[in-house]
Amino acid sequence: QKEVEQNSGPLSVPEGAIASLNCTYSDRGSQSFFWYRQYSGKSPELIMSIYSNGDKEDGRFTAQLNKASQYVSLLIRDSQPSDSATYLCAVNLIYNQGGKLIFGQGTELSVKP
Amino acid sequence: DAGITQSPRHKVTETGTPVTLRCHQTENHRYMYWYRQDPGHGLRLIHYSYGVKDTDKGEVSDGYSVSRSKTEDFLLTLESATSSQTSVYFCAISNGFNEQFFGPGTRLTVL
Repeated sequence: QKEVEQNSGPLSVPEGAIASLNCTYSDRGSQSFFWYRQYSGKSPELIMSIYSNGDKEDGRFTAQLNKASQYVSLLIRDSQPSDSATYLCAVNLIYNQGGKLIFGQGTELSVKP
Repeated sequence: DAGITQSPRHKVTETGTPVTLRCHQTENHRYMYWYRQDPGHGLRLIHYSYGVKDTDKGEVSDGYSVSRSKTEDFLLTLESATSSQTSVYFCAISNGFNEQFFGPGTRLTVL
């Protein structure tokens, strides 16, 4: 059974702090990794994608991938109340040919003013 | 929402009735997907399409069928709706380069 696991939270951090969201996956052959943000009552919004080991930074967001440990994380620096949402980790077994995403159940993040 | 619309946005129906949900895209993307999202289960793939008239099953396809006669439209049909199909349904599209973009969703209630 291919699985993607996340802590459900809620994860509560004060405004201005670093929020760290974690995700592990079971299939060692996974090739593509994504983080989506979902506000309550809204659709998932892609915020980061990462394909190779290491860090990828985009503004206040940093995605980290470690394929040997089957671990992907998302760091949010200078967290804002507007970052309060559920963050979904998704994994794809293939690269550049469409394919199917497997989602974790999401981590709820709450940023307190 | 990356040029994706879903209709209807909300629907209430009764057990045993047929229901069709529509996903329409203006991006000319090859791949289209239908997911359902339920508390405790996250997002689960129902069916997907990799081209016109080319479709395949996802992990929760029982009770659902799909059709894609044009690049821009992907229809999801519940032949005989059941209460277990009460959910939020999302359509997603991809150009094949890995990333998927989601539509606004349809909230379906089966009484």
